[in-house]
Amino acid sequence: GAGVSQSPSNKVTEKGKDVELRCDPISGHTALYWYRQSLGQGLEFLIYFQGNSAPDKSGLPSDRFSAERTGGSVSTLTIQRTQQEDSAVYLCASTPTSGGVDTQYFGPGTRLTVL
Amino acid sequence: SQQGEEDPQALSIQEGENATMNCSYKTSINNLQWYRQNSGRGLVHLILIRSNEREKHSGRLRVTLDTSKKSSSLLITASRAADTASYFCATWPGGAQKLVFGQGTRLTINP
Repeated sequence: GAGVSQSPSNKVTEKGKDVELRCDPISGHTALYWYRQSLGQGLEFLIYFQGNSAPDKSGLPSDRFSAERTGGSVSTLTIQRTQQEDSAVYLCASTPTSGGVDTQYFGPGTRLTVL
Repeated sequence: SQQGEEDPQALSIQEGENATMNCSYKTSINNLQWYRQNSGRGLVHLILIRSNEREKHSGRLRVTLDTSKKSSSLLITASRAADTASYFCATWPGGAQKLVFGQGTRLTINP
């Protein structure tokens, strides 16, 4: 079946502009995660959605970052007034449920470059 | 600081040799997972080991978990050039709802 998809695959923007990154999880997966990976680094947790519960936003680095998940499916990560330090690969993952027993299925990521 | 710390940060071996990567973590966990990443894009899940398990095998992969030492190892036997990638351990701390990833080990298999 179809895996997790993300769009765009690459995004180049100018400092100060807003960007929107999209994630389509695997159909039926209730949990959705966003991560950020800077060059040569590990994954940094950003935000977690589980069903209709309030999202866990504890990893968002600043109030310029926000995310929503509409209809329990597609998610959009928005970065306002982008800065050069926002340049990274943004990865989305989904799992069938939550609770620590599931593997995560990752999308291919969006490489964001802020000039 | 990262929950998982991989060691070494980089490893270069000849094709056919075995590759061992280690991961240490700080808190109690529900499970520990290993992922592979090619070319800095999406991660692929390799293996999950639960906190009450000590060893697990999947093909050429062998994972061990020592909860008393808060450490895990990933062994890739008979390595191939196609195994060249970054390998990450990720832990699911008890009570948490998210995976915590380490910095990864960059593995290079030389033909």
